[in-house]
Amino acid sequence: SAVISQKPSRDICQRGTSLTIQCQVDSQVTMMFWYRQQPGQSLTLIATANQGSEATYESGFVIDKFPISRPNLTFSTLTVSNMSPEDSSIYLCSVVPDQETQYFGPGTRLLVL
Amino acid sequence: GENVEQHPSTLSVQEGDSAVIKCTYSDSASNYFPWYKQELGKRPQLIIDIRSNVGEKKDQRIAVTLNKTAKHFSLHITETQPEDSAVYFCAATTTSGTYKYIFGTGTRLKVLA
Repeated sequence: SAVISQKPSRDICQRGTSLTIQCQVDSQVTMMFWYRQQPGQSLTLIATANQGSEATYESGFVIDKFPISRPNLTFSTLTVSNMSPEDSSIYLCSVVPDQETQYFGPGTRLLVL
Repeated sequence: GENVEQHPSTLSVQEGDSAVIKCTYSDSASNYFPWYKQELGKRPQLIIDIRSNVGEKKDQRIAVTLNKTAKHFSLHITETQPEDSAVYFCAATTTSGTYKYIFGTGTRLKVLA
């Protein structure tokens, strides 16, 4: 498995601002993912964060809105840009340390007013 | 595109009874099927998984069955306890290439004392 931490754990933001979420893993992992989970819903993949290259975004998510950095094999950030109330959600990072099972971070609970 | 259907969306059982959650996947290349339990305000936690070369796997009160021909897999919880109350997600993926998970829509299980 892997020990994953996220910062911040929660935040309340004003519309039009941006928030950067950090994800730290205790071991080097190639595969890292960012998800959004809206209240009462399943997990929706935003993008795959690739070390040394640009992130790969899923349909409906764009780099200008959700820029991602992956400077090394233990760390990644997701920025939620120009936020609106519709961005209120839980954002989770996950890793695949064994080329099979995904393990999730504790999540960042975001409320946009 | 690929999808995973999950049923039921909600399930209430009496303590001590069994609970069964079913998923159907569309991508015949899928070969790894994990199940996650998510308690309120917590991250999804892996509880059991099964690979495509196995038809059934059991871990104490939890079991998973896989029918590759029908593209069905199911989670079985026996002797349910109040602490089993949570949302359960199934997922399907191929353990090569992108390692992207396709998640089911979730089942909210309530175990009534």
